[in-house]
Amino acid sequence: EPEVTQTPSHQVTQMGQEVILRCVPISNHLYFYWYRQILGQKVEFLVSFYNNEISEKSEIFDDQFSVERPDGSNFTLKIRSTKLEDSAMYFCASRVGANTGELFFGEGSRLTVL
Amino acid sequence: AQSVTQLGSHVSVSEGALVLLRCNYSSSVPPYLFWYVQYPNQGLQLLLKYTSAATLVKGINDFEAEFKKSETSFHLTKPSAHMSDAAEYFCAVSDPHNFNKFYFGSGTKLNVKP
Repeated sequence: EPEVTQTPSHQVTQMGQEVILRCVPISNHLYFYWYRQILGQKVEFLVSFYNNEISEKSEIFDDQFSVERPDGSNFTLKIRSTKLEDSAMYFCASRVGANTGELFFGEGSRLTVL
Repeated sequence: AQSVTQLGSHVSVSEGALVLLRCNYSSSVPPYLFWYVQYPNQGLQLLLKYTSAATLVKGINDFEAEFKKSETSFHLTKPSAHMSDAAEYFCAVSDPHNFNKFYFGSGTKLNVKP
């Protein structure tokens, strides 16, 4: 069964360092997302991406964050200068089309900022 | 705007007992509603979804949920709990006209006692 895959599963970094989280969405999906879940809190929307551009972003997604689809398969989230409060589980998700409601999630990348 | 409230951050049931996880939503438009499950160290997996068809929705592993507009609820039930059902369950709401955002509840951790 097709699935969304994410790497790394866990990354530990020092505050101020750049981090790139990678995702491979399901191959025929067109809409891509990043969500995050701070430990013990809700899963929160970060950004949506379609047709090689951001379609919507939350207030969390500030200038420290960027997304990119560098090739036909990968979808990346970059945090330019990590802060302690960026420690969270980051989930990538995708869906096939505009009228399909279901999101397919990856297993998440746990980011720990020291 | 949409939001979801899950009553009870922790629910404990005995194996074989009824599972009832509560979800109430707020939406300015007729919503799409979802239940996702998160097993330890795994991603979010769709259990079931309501997309304006039948109000009683059946999902995987004998879970089902009923959309009740008058009560703005979408509670998740399972007639008989299994040990393998122990996980965290998230209710989510989406605007059918804007799939860019899913709003998740804070989650309910289900513990199943032998």
